[in-house]
Amino acid sequence: QQQVKQSPQSLIVQKGGISIINCAYENTAFDYFPWYQQFPGKGPALLIAIRPDVSEKKEGRFTISFNKSAKQFSLHIMDSQPGDSATYFCAASMRNSGYALNFGKGTSLLVTP
Amino acid sequence: DAGVTQSPTHLIKTRGQQVTLRCSPKSGHDTVSWYQQALGQGPQFIFQYYEEEERQRGNFPDRFSGHQFPNYSSELNVNALLLGDSALYLCASSLPGFYGYTFGSGTRLTVV
Repeated sequence: QQQVKQSPQSLIVQKGGISIINCAYENTAFDYFPWYQQFPGKGPALLIAIRPDVSEKKEGRFTISFNKSAKQFSLHIMDSQPGDSATYFCAASMRNSGYALNFGKGTSLLVTP
Repeated sequence: DAGVTQSPTHLIKTRGQQVTLRCSPKSGHDTVSWYQQALGQGPQFIFQYYEEEERQRGNFPDRFSGHQFPNYSSELNVNALLLGDSALYLCASSLPGFYGYTFGSGTRLTVV
C-alpha cells in the first residue's frame, strides 16, 4: 500500500510565486524525509531532507516544514523559476529498513514565465 | 567525479525473456539499491545490497534478483519478463553510514 501520500498531482505557478507540495505518512517509525526533483529522462536528485527532531529546514529557495504530530511534511519553493519545472517526489524511510525509500506518487510542477 | 552509472540506457525485450541491468555506484559509495519506476509513478524499492549481500527487499517477486561485486558494482536480473515489467529501473548508491542516495539516470526497459 502507498505509505506516503502526496498532493497535489500537478501544480502550475507563476514565476516568482511560491510552490507548495504536501505529503502525509502513517508509519511513525520513519525517521528520514527527503524530497527529490526529477527531470524527464533523468534519475531523481536529492533536493533537501529533514529528520523528525526538526520542524523546519531551509536550503536556498527550498524549505521543508515538518509536523510530527500530524504526520505531515511539505516542500515550499520560494521565488519559483521556470527552471524549477520538474516532477517532485517526497519520500520517507527508516534506519531499520536500511533507509529504503518509500516514495509518494509525485507532483508535476510547471512554472510559467 | 562520475556519479552513478547505469547500462544500458534503453532495452527492448520480449515477454518471457531474461534481462540483466548493470550499475556502477558513485566513487566511495558501498551500498547499492534498485528501484522500479513505472510511467507517471514514484519509484518502488526492489532491494538493497551491502557487502555483497541482499540486506533489504521490497515487495517484488523472486523473478527479480541481484548481485553486488567486490568493487561495489551491482546487477539486477529479471527472469520470465512480463509486459508489466516495462519501467525505468533506477540504481541508487550511498556512502557508508548513510548520507542520502545518489541516483543514476536509469535503464528504460520495454517488454513487448
